[in-house]
Amino acid sequence: AQSVTQLGSHVSVSEGALVLLRCNYSSSVPPYLFWYVQYPNQGLQLLLKYTTGATLVKGINGFEAEFKKSETSFHLTKPSAHMSDAAEYFCAVSESTGFQKLVFGTGTRLLVSP
Amino acid sequence: NAGVMQNPRHLVRRRGQEARLRCSPMKGHSHVYWYRQLPEEGLKFMVYLQKENIIDESGMPKERFSAEFPKEGPSILRIQQVVRGDSAAYFCASSQVGQGKNEQFFGPGTRLTVL
Repeated sequence: AQSVTQLGSHVSVSEGALVLLRCNYSSSVPPYLFWYVQYPNQGLQLLLKYTTGATLVKGINGFEAEFKKSETSFHLTKPSAHMSDAAEYFCAVSESTGFQKLVFGTGTRLLVSP
Repeated sequence: NAGVMQNPRHLVRRRGQEARLRCSPMKGHSHVYWYRQLPEEGLKFMVYLQKENIIDESGMPKERFSAEFPKEGPSILRIQQVVRGDSAAYFCASSQVGQGKNEQFFGPGTRLTVL
């Protein structure tokens, strides 16, 4: 069975500061990994995904994440936070075999202060 | 190109009533997924459907919940005899193919409140 752990239900940063949102996963087969963002009362939007190939993945809005197999991690980073980045962020994993079923972490709420 | 559409956006039901949630996938997508988000929690997979077929319903509660994706029309998630614990946001997603690496596009969700 797969699982995702997101450390820190809330992360607060100042505008312009580095954003680091942590995600660790567990999977018995090679995983596909995703980061989604959810703004209040909206659906989820894909930020980036790792399937195969380069382990450093760049996404929208200046976000990137690095797949580290040895650490079973897929942390999300952004060099400089913007006020508009304030939202809920979800890490998810799916199996590279069989049918797609996303398993989500519990989410991290990012707060950005001026 | 319209995205995934869900209606209604908000639904209020009294205990014991039926809730019917609709999802129209993106054009060209034949794979639909339903997820439930309880307050302060992540999304939990419920069911994966293709046209006229339920592929994986491992996340569906055994009773009162059912889903369909007919040949014509939207996918429907039906909850019979709702209880207060069913209050949640229900999200539908669709994809072009079902393999794991393909992006799922999410709708805006239906927020169900059971009084």
